[in-house]
Amino acid sequence: SQQGEEDPQALSIQEGENATMNCSYKTSINNLQWYRQNSGRGLVHLILIRSNEREKHSGRLRVTLDTSKKSSSLLITASRAADTASYFCATVPDQGAQKLVFGQGTRLTINP
Amino acid sequence: DAGVIQSPRHEVTEMGQEVTLRCKLISGHNSLFWYRQTMMRGLELLIYFNNNVPIDDSGMPEDRFSAKMPNASFSTLKIQPSEPRDSAVYFCASSLPGQGANTGELFFGEGSRLTVL
Repeated sequence: SQQGEEDPQALSIQEGENATMNCSYKTSINNLQWYRQNSGRGLVHLILIRSNEREKHSGRLRVTLDTSKKSSSLLITASRAADTASYFCATVPDQGAQKLVFGQGTRLTINP
Repeated sequence: DAGVIQSPRHEVTEMGQEVTLRCKLISGHNSLFWYRQTMMRGLELLIYFNNNVPIDDSGMPEDRFSAKMPNASFSTLKIQPSEPRDSAVYFCASSLPGQGANTGELFFGEGSRLTVL
């Protein structure tokens, strides 16, 4: 079963708008990571947030983590057409384990 | 720097045939992960290795699947015999020593798209 569940499954916005994707998970985690996948390509790591962190920024990306609610959000500001991709959250569900478990992803479409 | 290299990128085969997928890790990485991606089930972890040793193969669907790391930089995933339900994109990913998915990021290859007729 999937550890992370992304919401929404699909999101379509206009270029320049902000895009927010959410991820919920079930068990305690060591860290949570976000990945991006362009159509027909492999996954690319975007950002990692540790369980003792609440917010992290990287360029136009902002990630939050609420361990009490077992949820995370990824915000992409000032979206561009090139941001069109699928975005996945991934968690390591057990302390000490190395099994990165992915959610089903959010398909983001940026309309020019 | 070369990333994770997978081959073949595409394979079409008939049911019952043996399929071998190959993966070359990034130099210096010591953890290797095989994932399978389908529309229905998303990304599933099949097996992962640390320092050439299989650590967890609980995701391998059945005995028809096997994976090896004959050396520190190369891995194979074999399906014998293949079935139509094995059709998927198979990814391998590697990570740096001392990190793995426990703390750091995974570096993915571009995937091998398998179609079993």
